[in-house]
Amino acid sequence: KAGVTQTPRYLIKTRGQQVTLSCSPISGHRSVSWYQQTPGQGLQFLFEYFSETQRNKGNFPGRFSGRQFSNSRSEMNVSTLELGDSALYLCASSTVEGFVTGELFFGEGSRLTVL
Amino acid sequence: KNQVEQSPQSLIILEGKNCTLQCNYTVSPFSNLRWYKQDTGRGPVSLTIMTFSENTKSNGRYTATLDADTKQSSLHITASQLSDSASYICVVSAQAAGNKLTFGGGTRVLVKP
Repeated sequence: KAGVTQTPRYLIKTRGQQVTLSCSPISGHRSVSWYQQTPGQGLQFLFEYFSETQRNKGNFPGRFSGRQFSNSRSEMNVSTLELGDSALYLCASSTVEGFVTGELFFGEGSRLTVL
Repeated sequence: KNQVEQSPQSLIILEGKNCTLQCNYTVSPFSNLRWYKQDTGRGPVSLTIMTFSENTKSNGRYTATLDADTKQSSLHITASQLSDSASYICVVSAQAAGNKLTFGGGTRVLVKP
């Protein structure tokens, strides 16, 4: 079956702009989580959604937000972009129990460059 | 504060040789520990997931161990292949509200012919 699909794969923005990233989970997976990966900080958890509700949240400012639709697809938004937001943004899907106890299936990521 | 420390940061090994990566954590209360392999420019792929009661788990040439008492884990790669060149990330999950996943900084492995 198809894996996790993230779009766009690459994008370039300027400071102050906003960006929306999209994630389509594996069919049947209802949990979608988001992560930021940078060379300096490594992988960091942003938030997790299940049934259109945010269940868990990492330590990121309010400029980072997300949502999940009824078909489990998810989007994340970053407003007022800063240079430090340049990163690879990864999405992962899992089963109901998967986020905490089981396996995460990651997409290939969206690479954001902020100029 | 929950933390996951991995060592070494990077290593170079010759094809066919074995190597061991280390992961120390202070995450509490512990739920499980996972090892992921991430090829350059790709998303991470799960290798193993271990709960408190599991000491060893294998996935092909990858064997992970867990000592919950000392809060240490290791990932052993046997008979390395060129395709093992990647970053290996240790992730610890906590049974608590809020931020439940803590990631290690990863170990970058380069296998040379």
